[in-house]
Amino acid sequence: EAGVVQSPRYKIIEKKQPVAFWCNPISGHNTLYWYRQNLGQGPELLIRYENEEAVDDSQLPKDRFSAERLKGVDSTLKIQPAELGDSAVYLCASRDGQRASMNTEAFFGQGTRLTVV
Amino acid sequence: GENVEQHPSTLSVQEGDSAVIKCTYSDSASNYFPWYKQELGKGPQLIIDIRSNVGEKKDQRIAVTLNKTAKHFSLHITETQPEDSAVYFCAATLNNAGNMLTFGGGTRLMVKP
Repeated sequence: EAGVVQSPRYKIIEKKQPVAFWCNPISGHNTLYWYRQNLGQGPELLIRYENEEAVDDSQLPKDRFSAERLKGVDSTLKIQPAELGDSAVYLCASRDGQRASMNTEAFFGQGTRLTVV
Repeated sequence: GENVEQHPSTLSVQEGDSAVIKCTYSDSASNYFPWYKQELGKGPQLIIDIRSNVGEKKDQRIAVTLNKTAKHFSLHITETQPEDSAVYFCAATLNNAGNMLTFGGGTRLMVKP
């Protein structure tokens, strides 16, 4: 079974340009997360989806960040315009949240390393 | 919200020695505590987890302990091997809050052969 797939792996853009990241979660996983990981730090949650609904986006900087998961499967995270401080690794994770009685594992993708110059 | 502190930030041990990483959390309602290992260029991978109704859990060379009263939990790796070298993250969450993990700052473990 394929894991969480993210693309691209690396992206270098100039500041003020737009950028988008794509995530394909593990098949059947209804819960999808986007995390941002700054260099030398732990991941920080940006947004959580349950199927196609964004149920927690309180940490997403909405002035420049947006996300969507239109059909409840793949998801995209967009930044427009990018700033120098957005340089980080953007991680996608998914989980079988339908098994509500258990703390089921969240599986992470390899991430997209964004460099804004 | 939850806040997780992790120590030490770097840890160097000799192959075969034990390594201990400690974390504290702030929200007494948190009930699930996973540990992730992150190798260079890869995403975090779950290595062990513990729920709040258990005080200790072991899986081969890896063990985790939880002290709910003190809001501490620790990762213990015995008989360390060079392939254990990586960055380790602790995390905490409240299960019925969608398992949104709050991570510690990470510990870079270096196992010297």
